[in-house]
Amino acid sequence: DVKVTQSSRYLVKRTGEKVFLECVQDMDHENMFWYRQDPGLGLRLIYFSYDVKMKEKGDIPEGYSVSREKKERFSLILESASTNQTSMYLCASSEEWVSSYEQYFGPGTRLTVT
Amino acid sequence: DQQVKQNSPSLSVQEGRISILNCDYTNSMFDYFLWYKKYPAEGPTFLISISSIKDKNEDGRFTVFLNKSAKHLSLHIVPSQPGDSAVYFCAASALGNEKLTFGTGTRLTIIP
Repeated sequence: DVKVTQSSRYLVKRTGEKVFLECVQDMDHENMFWYRQDPGLGLRLIYFSYDVKMKEKGDIPEGYSVSREKKERFSLILESASTNQTSMYLCASSEEWVSSYEQYFGPGTRLTVT
Repeated sequence: DQQVKQNSPSLSVQEGRISILNCDYTNSMFDYFLWYKKYPAEGPTFLISISSIKDKNEDGRFTVFLNKSAKHLSLHIVPSQPGDSAVYFCAASALGNEKLTFGTGTRLTIIP
């Protein structure tokens, strides 16, 4: 079974803090993704990576950065947290070039910025 | 610009009846469609998918229908069970693009 784990289930941070969200997958997947889920907006792609040290912006990259130093690990960084970054953050991974496009998700991190 | 739309934020269905969830898309380059199910405090899990070369795909109680000319897909759940209560997201991908574009989700509640 594919397993995607996220470092925290719940996180509370103060405005202006630097926040790190960690994601690890154990299936040797090439692709990894970070989404945020907000009511009425669905899942929106923040960043994705298709290889180590490679990254591409998604639909809402502003205020975020990412790091992928090892194939199994993809980190999302909030350089200076703001209240509008309060959200559920979901990490996902997928194999490269499979026809199903299926992504496997972690359990999510509920981040509250006060 | 919302390329994948789920116009019903919520749906309530009696246990044992059919649940029909709808999804519309605008990007004609989309050629693969997926449905995900999400319980509270859990990540989404893959449910069923369909390629644009098909118009129907079945897996047990779940059937997805694709109408390419109308840019519309639907998920049918028959019979509906209490464990089906969750948020359902449709997602789409374009050929050669490994990103998924998700809809806004429909919260399905099955009434016992």
